[in-house]
Amino acid sequence: DIQMTQSPSSLSASVGDRVTITCQASQDISKYLNWYQQKPGKAPKLLIYDASNLETGVPSRFSGSGSGTDFTLTISSLQPEDIATYYCQQYDNLSMCTFGQGTKLEIK
Amino acid sequence: EVQLVESGGGLVQPGGSLRLSCAASGFSFSAYAMNWVRQTPRKGLEWVSYISSSSSMIYYADSVKGRFTISRDNAKNSLFLQMNSLRDEDTALYYCARRIRGRSDHWGQGTLVTVSS
Repeated sequence: DIQMTQSPSSLSASVGDRVTITCQASQDISKYLNWYQQKPGKAPKLLIYDASNLETGVPSRFSGSGSGTDFTLTISSLQPEDIATYYCQQYDNLSMCTFGQGTKLEIK
Repeated sequence: EVQLVESGGGLVQPGGSLRLSCAASGFSFSAYAMNWVRQTPRKGLEWVSYISSSSSMIYYADSVKGRFTISRDNAKNSLFLQMNSLRDEDTALYYCARRIRGRSDHWGQGTLVTVSS
């Protein structure tokens, strides 16, 4: 099974900061990597799909990059409403998938 | 507007059964694959099961294989998860989510399943 490792597990940053979260796959997953945002008490929300494609309606300050085993989610200028837990998710075929353990983002 | 509303969760004893439902609206349900994903504070998000639009392809996580059964009724815009032989570790918030290729682009609000004696 493919394992996904996110880092850091938690992160504190200031409004306006550039924030980077990384996700590493245990084997090559090409670009089959998605990112989700989850706010407390809410369901996950899709932000980025296939490593770098911005989901409709998601602010352009969010971006994704990477391929193979190493991926990055970047928030170019942190906003107060971005406080959430972020998850990466790989799919090694069109049905099964695995999530990372999450990165909790807080305001400093 | 796409809406997914789960129901059927509750408290059940170990070894018991529950049937979760997910009512879909706002999109052509029969055209989309669906899946169930569960979440616990300890393990985070865990994919549980997938069903293709026509029910021709069905997959399960190893942790639930042989105990859970996913199904759908396209005429009634509904997704189901029959859960048998429930264990303590099945305690979680269960989400249904619409699948497009490998991504889940819309999620319900979740239904809580608690397995405890």
